[in-house]
Amino acid sequence: NAGVMQNPRHLVRRRGQEARLRCSPMKGHSHVYWYRQLPEEGLKFMVYLQKENIIDESGMPKERFSAEFPKEGPSILRIQQVVRGDSAAYFCASSPTAVGEGQYFGPGTRLTVT
Amino acid sequence: ILNVEQSPQSLHVQEGDSTNFTCSFPSSNFYALHWYRWETAKSPEALFVMTLNGDEKKKGRISATLNTKEGYSYLYIKGSQPEDSATYLCAPGDSNTGKLIFGQGTTLQVKP
Repeated sequence: NAGVMQNPRHLVRRRGQEARLRCSPMKGHSHVYWYRQLPEEGLKFMVYLQKENIIDESGMPKERFSAEFPKEGPSILRIQQVVRGDSAAYFCASSPTAVGEGQYFGPGTRLTVT
Repeated sequence: ILNVEQSPQSLHVQEGDSTNFTCSFPSSNFYALHWYRWETAKSPEALFVMTLNGDEKKKGRISATLNTKEGYSYLYIKGSQPEDSATYLCAPGDSNTGKLIFGQGTTLQVKP
């Protein structure tokens, strides 16, 4: 059973470009969480999705950030018009249920904005 | 909003020493307390998911206890080895959505 997959592992974008980060959950997992680690900070929750639904986006910046988890395919975290402050490591985690079980993390995508 | 505190922030021990870390959190609105082990350039690795007051879990030389009434959990490592060097994170899981609220972590360095 493959683990959580994220790609790309490293992404470099110039200011103003768009960044698309992909996350394929573990097989059988329908709950996906995105977390962000800014430089010198801990992991912070961004958004929680189930298939085709955003359940909790309380940790997402109000502008430029969006997330989706379509019926088919990976979950996508999209950042439009990136700025230097978006440089961070973005992790996704998947779980078979919302509560009661652990979350399994992917290797992360390290975004660098130049 | 949960505020999760971990102490100490960092720890340096000799191989063979036993050590423990603390995680404290507000004792409400969570369904489970998670412990993760995070090595540099890798993904966080789940160690324990603890739900019951007084729960104690063990995995090899690592064990953890949970006190939900007073809002703390301890992680113990017996006979530390260099391969135990990592950052150890605790995170209560929200009772409605399951989202994890992470502490800043305790970074352990074990010298051979």
